[in-house]
Amino acid sequence: QLQLQESGPGLVKPSETLSLTCTVSGGSISSTSYHWGWIRQPPGKGLEWLGTIHKSGSTYYNPSLESRVTMFVDTSKNQFSLRLSSVTAADTAVYYCARPIESHPALFGSWGQGTLVTVSS
Amino acid sequence: EIVLTQSPGTLSLSPGERATLSCRASQSVTNNYFAWYQQKPGQAPRLLIYGVSSRATGIPDRFSGSGSGTDFTLTISRLEPEDFAVYYCQQYANSWTFGQGTKVEIK
Repeated sequence: QLQLQESGPGLVKPSETLSLTCTVSGGSISSTSYHWGWIRQPPGKGLEWLGTIHKSGSTYYNPSLESRVTMFVDTSKNQFSLRLSSVTAADTAVYYCARPIESHPALFGSWGQGTLVTVSS
Repeated sequence: EIVLTQSPGTLSLSPGERATLSCRASQSVTNNYFAWYQQKPGQAPRLLIYGVSSRATGIPDRFSGSGSGTDFTLTISRLEPEDFAVYYCQQYANSWTFGQGTKVEIK
């Protein structure tokens, strides 16, 4: 059964870069045609799609964050990663990695448990 | 960007009752690219409905979706105890955005 697990620092200083990794188990990133995505949720608030990456490395980013977001895949480690630069307190959120269902890369059917990242000095 | 506005913010109902949740888009959502998710406290969201009315794998048939253009509805025909949660709508026609959520709570 597919499992996704986010990892990375829980505390990031303002103006620095947030870096998270999602480790995939129960399936290979490189053996399927799936995309892989990141979504975040500020405490007590709604969901925000950050971006999506294909195993080939092609990416789709949320236009409102595109200048600060980078995603990449490491097929040798069965991982994909998120970097968000120049963070502020507004970037404090639970960050989820997810895999879409086959129907469309926007439809997230499998999710990690989420990891809280707090931006504070 | 398409902005999604969900109503009501909170819906207070009893088990067995029918729940009707609404989501209005700031512009027309093309190709029926519209979905609904359920989220329980401390858990990741779960995909319920996509393509306006198609149920995702394993979703019971008491959940149904409808709508077109700018107005969409999620209906839960008879609320089960496990259905009390927050529900989010999503459009994926023009970038991908979510609504702010509707909480379905026990009355």
